[in-house]
Amino acid sequence: DTAVSQTPKYLVTQMGNDKSIKCEQNLGHDTMYWYKQDSKKFLKIMFSYNNKELIINETVPNRFSPKSPDKAHLNLHINSLELGDSAVYFCASSQRGLAGSTDTQYFGPGTRLTVL
Amino acid sequence: KQEVTQIPAALSVPEGENLVLNCSFTDSAIYNLQWFRQDPGKGLTSLLLIQSSQREQTSGRLNASLDKSSGRSTLYIAASQPGDSATYLCAALYNFNKFYFGSGTKLNVKP
Repeated sequence: DTAVSQTPKYLVTQMGNDKSIKCEQNLGHDTMYWYKQDSKKFLKIMFSYNNKELIINETVPNRFSPKSPDKAHLNLHINSLELGDSAVYFCASSQRGLAGSTDTQYFGPGTRLTVL
Repeated sequence: KQEVTQIPAALSVPEGENLVLNCSFTDSAIYNLQWFRQDPGKGLTSLLLIQSSQREQTSGRLNASLDKSSGRSTLYIAASQPGDSATYLCAALYNFNKFYFGSGTKLNVKP
C-alpha cells in the first residue's frame, strides 16, 4: 500500500495554463506538505497544512494555491503556469508537524511538471 | 537564515569501501536532522533521524552523527554496495516542522 501518493506522475503543459496536482496520504497523519525540487536538486518547502489549516506559507507566488479538503488530502493548484514553474513537486506528510514537533516526514514519489 | 550545505556534490567509490558524506547547517537551533535517500525518478526515503539531543544514530551499515555546536552532521556508510548508489540528502528541521534541505551528494558505487 502506498503511504503518500501523488497524481499525476508527469505533467506537460503550455505556458499560461492552469493545472492541479493531487496528493493523498493513508497514514492518518495530521500534517501535509508541498515541496518544490528545482533543476539543481534543491528541495524547498512551499506550504504545510495541519488538519486542513494552513501552517507554513513560504514566499511562493500567489498563482500557487494549496487546498486541503480533509486531512488526508492536499492538492496544489497552479494558475497561469510559467516556464520557471518546471520542477518536481513532492508531497509529504508527518504525524503532527506543529511547533516543537520532531516527526519524520514521509514523501510521495513526486510529480514532474514541465511547462513549455 | 537557515542554510544547509552538502559536500561533496558527487562521489564515486569502488564496492566495499567505507565512505563519509558531510552536511553542514548555519543555524544550530535545529530540532532534528534527517538523512534521506533519493533514487532517480523516485521520492525520498528516510534513512536516519537524529534528535537534537542525540549524538548519533545507527541503522545497519549506516551511521549518522550530529554535532550541533559546530553545525555538522556526517553519514557513514560501511562496506558500500552498488545498491547504495543514489543521491543522499540531509535536512535540518527547525520550528514549525520546517525542513531545510541540502542539495545532496550523488553517490556511485562501482561493482
